[in-house]
Amino acid sequence: NAGVTQTPKFRILKIGQSMTLQCTQDMNHNYMYWYRQDPGMGLKLIYYSVGAGITDKGEVPNGYNVSRSTTEDFPLRLELAAPSQTSVYFCASSSSTGSYEQYFGPGTRLTVT
Amino acid sequence: GQQVMQIPQYQHVQEGEDFTTYCNSSTTLSNIQWYKQRPGGHPVFLIQLVKSGEVKKQKRLTFQFGEAKKNSSLHITATQTTDVGTYFCAGNSGYSTLTFGKGTMLLVSP
Repeated sequence: NAGVTQTPKFRILKIGQSMTLQCTQDMNHNYMYWYRQDPGMGLKLIYYSVGAGITDKGEVPNGYNVSRSTTEDFPLRLELAAPSQTSVYFCASSSSTGSYEQYFGPGTRLTVT
Repeated sequence: GQQVMQIPQYQHVQEGEDFTTYCNSSTTLSNIQWYKQRPGGHPVFLIQLVKSGEVKKQKRLTFQFGEAKKNSSLHITATQTTDVGTYFCAGNSGYSTLTFGKGTMLLVSP
């Protein structure tokens, strides 16, 4: 099993550009999450999904969009990139929420200049 | 909303010294999880505590969950250079999503 995979690993965007961060898991997990990690700030939840076709906002959803058309994939869309979106983005999955451990992907390091 | 606070933010120890990080929640938790993130890596699950007063050990690591289920600690005995990284606690109430603390960065000098 590859677990949770993310692409790309690194990306530099200009202000106002858009991009999609890809996330795929092969563990047949229902729950998937997108976090951003800024230095010294821990992990903040952007969006999550409890299954195909169902998504919900996390703590910091502004400037992002998600979709979940399949169990495996959970892409994160950045529209009109801003410098404040410079961060490391982690995708994670779990078999359920709450008391279930989360498996994280390797992350995407995004810089917006 | 739920807040999870972690202290200290950073600790630098000599190899062989002990290390402890503390986690406090603003609300009673259903469970608490601990993750480790190596420099440049991603968070990796270490353990979950569910019961009030629970203590679990993994080799040199000891995890505790407070009696009121609002605090937790991770203690490492005789640190090694392989312990370097950031340790995060994460808690939730019921079926809510996890709330992560800001983490404690541990640096171990040989």
